[in-house]
Amino acid sequence: EAAVTQSPRNKVTVTGGNVTLSCRQTNSHNYMYWYRQDTGHGLRLIHYSYGAGNLQIGDVPDGYKATRTTQEDFFLLLELASPSQTSLYFCASSLGGRYAEQFFGPGTRLTVL
Amino acid sequence: GDSVTQKQGQVTLSEDDFLFINCTYSTTTYPTLLWYVQYLGQGPQLLLKVTTANNKGISRGFEATYDKGTTSFHLQKASVQESDSAVYFCALVNNNNAPRFGAGTKLSVKP
Repeated sequence: EAAVTQSPRNKVTVTGGNVTLSCRQTNSHNYMYWYRQDTGHGLRLIHYSYGAGNLQIGDVPDGYKATRTTQEDFFLLLELASPSQTSLYFCASSLGGRYAEQFFGPGTRLTVL
Repeated sequence: GDSVTQKQGQVTLSEDDFLFINCTYSTTTYPTLLWYVQYLGQGPQLLLKVTTANNKGISRGFEATYDKGTTSFHLQKASVQESDSAVYFCALVNNNNAPRFGAGTKLSVKP
């Protein structure tokens, strides 16, 4: 009954490949986020959304697109994957607002060869 | 813009040692400050959070105090256990809803 799920959990692709990472939350939260985690950099925000059809740009958006199709579903798209996008990707959800904590999914390990 | 700094990339302790992880932040407002813990193979999860209203957070033996004067939010625990081995992230959240995370501190506790 995990509240934030991600798929796939592991993905290997080649340079130039097309990748979609999926995230679903059952928390009834308005906000959803995509992060990448790399050693020495912590969690860096790629894109986020405050509702279906909305998209906000994060701190490291280059090379990534995202789409929020419903309140529950948020997708991260890499249309021309590069080795620099090899990373651990996390999705999170929150109620939003300055007091709200984030709930994270288990992560997707992406390797771009 | 807002930022969070954690300079300790790794901390190695023995069981029952005192833990101190440094976190400083920069912002023009009064944000909510949080500590997250990430165990091996899992996503981060909230450890504790502090707002300007309560100033101090305590959870599972960990505590952190919101110090506006020094803009710090250090994490402490009196006596660590091997099960506390994890990565700890300091974070800041403001009204713009784009949270900022520190680089993380990996804690290793030897039995």
